[in-house]
Amino acid sequence: GAVVSQHPSRVICKSGTSVKIECRSLDFQATTMFWYRQFPKQSLMLMATSNEGSKATYEQGVEKDKFLINHASLTLSTLTVTSAHPEDSSFYICSARGGSGNQPQHFGDGTRLSIL
Amino acid sequence: AQSVTQPDIHITVSEGASLELRCNYSYGATPYLFWYVQSPGQGLQLLLKYFSGDTLVQGIKGFEAEFKRSQSSFNLRKPSVHWSDAAEYFCAVGGTRGGNKLTFGTGTQLKVEL
Repeated sequence: GAVVSQHPSRVICKSGTSVKIECRSLDFQATTMFWYRQFPKQSLMLMATSNEGSKATYEQGVEKDKFLINHASLTLSTLTVTSAHPEDSSFYICSARGGSGNQPQHFGDGTRLSIL
Repeated sequence: AQSVTQPDIHITVSEGASLELRCNYSYGATPYLFWYVQSPGQGLQLLLKYFSGDTLVQGIKGFEAEFKRSQSSFNLRKPSVHWSDAAEYFCAVGGTRGGNKLTFGTGTQLKVEL
């Protein structure tokens, strides 16, 4: 149980393109979803936290107009990287958590985003 | 503020040998502690978690971890390592004080020699 599906797994696109990444909880209802960014050989950096039906809470330094997050249902959250540039190239990982705060986060397999 | 330190960036062990990965945390209350494993190009898989109760927790794939409040540690152990255990391991801390957000350590890269 507790499967999180993230799509696409890899995206290569031109600079200036907007890219949407989907994160789905397949067998549980995710009251909270998280979006992380991971640079090569580094740890995960939390970008934002989203609760179903409300606006996402962004971490300090993360541009909310650049990284649009939508959490329209209990099983789906999307991250849109708007007008992507090469510096946005990274590994983006989502996680989902059901129930109360002491439940663990379950992670998707990540999206490798490469902006040319 | 909550934080996690994983002192060992790389560890190499022989297959069949025992393993201990170190994790120290800083948190202002009783923490929630997690160990995750990440294979190259993949997401994170939960190995085990500690919320309360028994300080020795058992996880998947034969891993265990012990919560030691006095040492602010949550070290991961496995008695006999398999070649398939080679991966990146992340310790994470969270809890109600931090809005239930997780803070990850910088990870330990495990290499297994055959």
